Amino acid sequence: NAGVMQNPRHLVRRRGQEARLRCSPMKGHSHVYWYRQLPEEGLKFMVYLQKENIIDESGMPKERFSAEFPKEGPSILRIQQVVRGDSAAYFCASSLTSGRAANEQFFGPGTRLTVL
Amino acid sequence: AQSVTQPDIHITVSEGASLELRCNYSYGATPYLFWYVQSPGQGLQLLLKYFSGDTLVQGIKGFEAEFKRSQSSFNLRKPSVHWSDAAEYFCAVGAQAGTALIFGKGTTLSVSS
Repeated sequence: NAGVMQNPRHLVRRRGQEARLRCSPMKGHSHVYWYRQLPEEGLKFMVYLQKENIIDESGMPKERFSAEFPKEGPSILRIQQVVRGDSAAYFCASSLTSGRAANEQFFGPGTRLTVL
Repeated sequence: AQSVTQPDIHITVSEGASLELRCNYSYGATPYLFWYVQSPGQGLQLLLKYFSGDTLVQGIKGFEAEFKRSQSSFNLRKPSVHWSDAAEYFCAVGAQAGTALIFGKGTTLSVSS
């Protein structure tokens, strides 16, 4: 029973390039959350998605960042025209659809983005 | 405003000694509380969670936590620390399903021999 999968684990981009981060939730999970962890900081919520819908994007920067969770395939977090301040670890989490257990989020290993 | 405070940035404990990591929260709704552990370069692993009921909850790896509503606290404890417990520990609070977790800034635990 595979856990949450994220790839790539490490990503290096130059300023101005695009970064695409992928997340496959646990089997049976249809809720996906993206968090960002800056150095010496806790995780900060970015966006919450269900299949084909963005439910809450209150933590997403207004520009350059977008997320999707298509009907088929992984969830994608896309950062356009990256800047050095985007360097961070990006974590994806997934949860069940309903019930009390849906409060529990399972985390992937993260993608560590470095912007040169 | 909703927030989680972990007052201790870094704690060092001798192997075999007891451990308590502090967590205080501010949350308007009935909170769901979590402790996660993160080893260097790794993702987060859930240690334990509190939704309701018994305020003392048991988790994996010998950890436990106690929910104290009057103090808005959810401190993590372990009676005897092992060297492999060295990691970063995060307290988090959430609400019903489909809401974001709010994390504290974490406490780094070092274990000395």
